[in-house]
Amino acid sequence: DGGITQSPKYLFRKEGQNVTLSCEQNLNHDAMYWYRQDPGQGLRLIYYSQIVNDFQKGDIAEGYSVSREKKESFPLTVTSAQKNPTAFYLCASSMGFYDTEAFFGQGTRLTVV
Amino acid sequence: AQTVTQSQPEMSVQEAETVTLSCTYDTSESNYYLFWYKQPPSRQMILVIRQEAYKQQNATENRFSVNFQKAAKSFSLKISDSQLGDTAMYFCAFVYSGNTPLVFGKGTRLSVIA
Repeated sequence: DGGITQSPKYLFRKEGQNVTLSCEQNLNHDAMYWYRQDPGQGLRLIYYSQIVNDFQKGDIAEGYSVSREKKESFPLTVTSAQKNPTAFYLCASSMGFYDTEAFFGQGTRLTVV
Repeated sequence: AQTVTQSQPEMSVQEAETVTLSCTYDTSESNYYLFWYKQPPSRQMILVIRQEAYKQQNATENRFSVNFQKAAKSFSLKISDSQLGDTAMYFCAFVYSGNTPLVFGKGTRLSVIA
């Protein structure tokens, strides 16, 4: 079945550590996105990528980094510079921008302990 | 900047009744798409309905329909014959042809009561 897979579902991080959230899709989609979801804040864009080896900062990119070395993979690293990383993270993909539906993974809940 | 506003943080409706969720947006673009996404307690985002701005006819999907008022920049979602499974967060989202990702509102938490 085609889809978008995020792992792990739950992740715990000690303060000062970097952690990487995985996002893989087998939909042959060009565009991929990372959103952060906090209560009452909706979904806020962290980074997005239109094609392999290219990505752009979103509204809240500080403290995060990404790579897009393969079309199907778009990992997100939460660095120690991110002051408040506890949140629910959603990865999405779409065939292209504008007129196509975005498909979402099941999310990763990151907690700083 | 494009913005999406959902003015109702929480709503409730009796089972089998009809409920309308509001969404307004701000843009200077003329060509764009609007979406309603549902996020049930499982937190899986599911597309409910989409509307192309150039189409005057309101989109419908079974019990879900929209009231798209382009001049007023309004895009409300009507859920008819509400079911317990409709209990979820509902997000309004917007994208235009400027090569940018979806912009989401803050969501409306809908509870369907038996």
